[in-house]
Amino acid sequence: GNSVTQMEGPVTLSEEAFLTINCTYTATGYPSLFWYVQYPGEGLQLLLKATKADDKGSNKGFEATYRKETTSFHLEKGSVQVSDSAVYFCALRNRDDKIIFGKGTRLHILP
Amino acid sequence: GAGVSQSPSNKVTEKGKDVELRCDPISGHTALYWYRQSLGQGLEFLIYFQGNSAPDKSGLPSDRFSAERTGGSVSTLTIQRTQQEDSAVYLCASRLLAGVTYNEQFFGPGTRLTVL
Repeated sequence: GNSVTQMEGPVTLSEEAFLTINCTYTATGYPSLFWYVQYPGEGLQLLLKATKADDKGSNKGFEATYRKETTSFHLEKGSVQVSDSAVYFCALRNRDDKIIFGKGTRLHILP
Repeated sequence: GAGVSQSPSNKVTEKGKDVELRCDPISGHTALYWYRQSLGQGLEFLIYFQGNSAPDKSGLPSDRFSAERTGGSVSTLTIQRTQQEDSAVYLCASRLLAGVTYNEQFFGPGTRLTVL
């Protein structure tokens, strides 16, 4: 079946550090891949997406590249800010239209 | 309103009672999803409605859980004989389906359920 595995948190970084949150997936066919973010006290919102292999999704300085050969979709940001503190969820959507989420990674950015 | 709304925002109930959680999707969205967010468990898929098709109930954890969607719009998630392990945030999302065109899933604010 379809599944998503992402690195466990919490991840704590200093402001301006480089961020990587690993995400790998298992799926039949060619799923679409997503990163969602949940800021403190707010609802879940889409951060970025990629719908086919080698696509790069980007938004707010975050990037993730759809790597079919390694079944990965790692989230990266070159210089994090305190305002990036949130919980990040990697997810996939396959042809059955269900979206399957990873367990989430809590990110703390220290000033 | 433009977004997905859910009610109530918080619900505290006693073990063994039934609860109903409501979701109002974005107008015109044909797909509706329910998820459960438990501490340390991430987002767990529960059920998916798409238009007039039979719902995908593969994520419902037990037969105490059921959901319906009336008139292709509002959805109600019912939990019968609640247990303490049902305590979680229940999230609803909707999505406009238009053939194979990608479109985003929009989430509601959730209902926090606490079973005492």
